[in-house]
Amino acid sequence: DTGVSQDPRHKITKRGQNVTFRCDPISEHNRLYWYRQTLGQGPEFLTYFQNEAQLEKSRLLSDRFSAERPKGSFSTLEIQRTEQGDSAMYLCASSASPRTPLHFGNGTRLTVT
Amino acid sequence: AQSVTQPDIHITVSEGASLELRCNYSYGATPYLFWYVQSPGQGLQLLLKYFSGDTLVQGIKGFEAEFKRSQSSFNLRKPSVHWSDAAEYFCAVGAGNTDKLIFGTGTRLQVFP
Repeated sequence: DTGVSQDPRHKITKRGQNVTFRCDPISEHNRLYWYRQTLGQGPEFLTYFQNEAQLEKSRLLSDRFSAERPKGSFSTLEIQRTEQGDSAMYLCASSASPRTPLHFGNGTRLTVT
Repeated sequence: AQSVTQPDIHITVSEGASLELRCNYSYGATPYLFWYVQSPGQGLQLLLKYFSGDTLVQGIKGFEAEFKRSQSSFNLRKPSVHWSDAAEYFCAVGAGNTDKLIFGTGTRLQVFP
């Protein structure tokens, strides 16, 4: 069990640029989640995959955000035309089956200047 | 809708003192509940979980939590706090078929020597 891995750890970008983050879940976990966490707040749910299928998306996920999990293994989260309000920590988590705890990665901290 | 309230934004205790962090939830069905801890710039680590059965659950690092259905609470406790326990603590409820977590806003714990 190597844990959930996220890349990069930090990303600084200028407003209007596109960014993409990657998440590698624990290998046998078929459930994958993306969360966003802003300063002083708890993580907020963005989207959920079961294998390669995206089964739930939050209203927080505007049309500038897209997530994929093409082969049911790693996942990517892309933000197009970034805005300063997108500055946050983006957390990925995975789990093996229903009603089992989520395992979180260390997150990608995005700063939009 | 499901929600989690952590009434205390910031708590300061002396090393060796006892600790209780409060958590109240709102959920229509039988909840399953979690406490996570987050150190600065890091992801979330699971401290303990409640799914069913014994309402007093033990976790890692000497933490425990008690589920009280009548009070819709799941408070976290530790009898003697160590300086290394200083961190942000999040209570969460598992929701829906996707098992996504709904988090509270967190309690920041500061420990004085």
